[in-house]
Amino acid sequence: NAGVTQTPKFRVLKTGQSMTLLCAQDMNHEYMYWYRQDPGMGLRLIHYSVGEGTTAKGEVPDGYNVSRLKKQNFLLGLESAAPSQTSVYFCASSRDGFNQPQHFGDGTRLSIL
Amino acid sequence: LAKTTQPISMDSYEGQEVNITCSHNNIATNDYITWYQQFPSQGPRFIIQGYKTKVTNEVASLFIPADRKSSTLSLPRVSLSDTAVYYCLVGDQGGGYNKLIFGAGTRLAVHP
Repeated sequence: NAGVTQTPKFRVLKTGQSMTLLCAQDMNHEYMYWYRQDPGMGLRLIHYSVGEGTTAKGEVPDGYNVSRLKKQNFLLGLESAAPSQTSVYFCASSRDGFNQPQHFGDGTRLSIL
Repeated sequence: LAKTTQPISMDSYEGQEVNITCSHNNIATNDYITWYQQFPSQGPRFIIQGYKTKVTNEVASLFIPADRKSSTLSLPRVSLSDTAVYYCLVGDQGGGYNKLIFGAGTRLAVHP
């Protein structure tokens, strides 16, 4: 089992460009999450989903959009990238609740110039 | 928002037992306590979860006193590979996303 897979692993964008980060899980989990982690800090929740076709805002949703068209995939979009969005992005999934152990991908390092 | 407090950093030596304490004074009745480990350039990895008393698995133990206002992650006989950041989370099934708070965590450095 691959667990949680994130693509791409690295990306450099120019200010104003758009891109989509893909997260795929093969554990049949209902809940999926997108976090960002800045240097020396913990993770902050951007958006989450409690099931196929659902999405909801987390702690820091501004500038991001998400979609969960298929249960196994959770996409994070940046419509107009800004330097403040330079960060490491982590996707995670949990079986069926916020208190269930989360399984994380290895992250996407995104730099906005 | 649910809030936890952990030491910013700790140092230890190989072979020693390490105890990392997390304070969560406003823990709610239905909240579970979960610990994660994060290595550089990797996502956090689930270590252990508990509700009360003591939980033990193959890598760690979790001690939770009766009032549940704190918890202690115990790592027996640490090795250099245990150098990582450790996060404590408090939350419940229906508590919503606002309890998914990964603070700065505790940076554990294990020395030879």
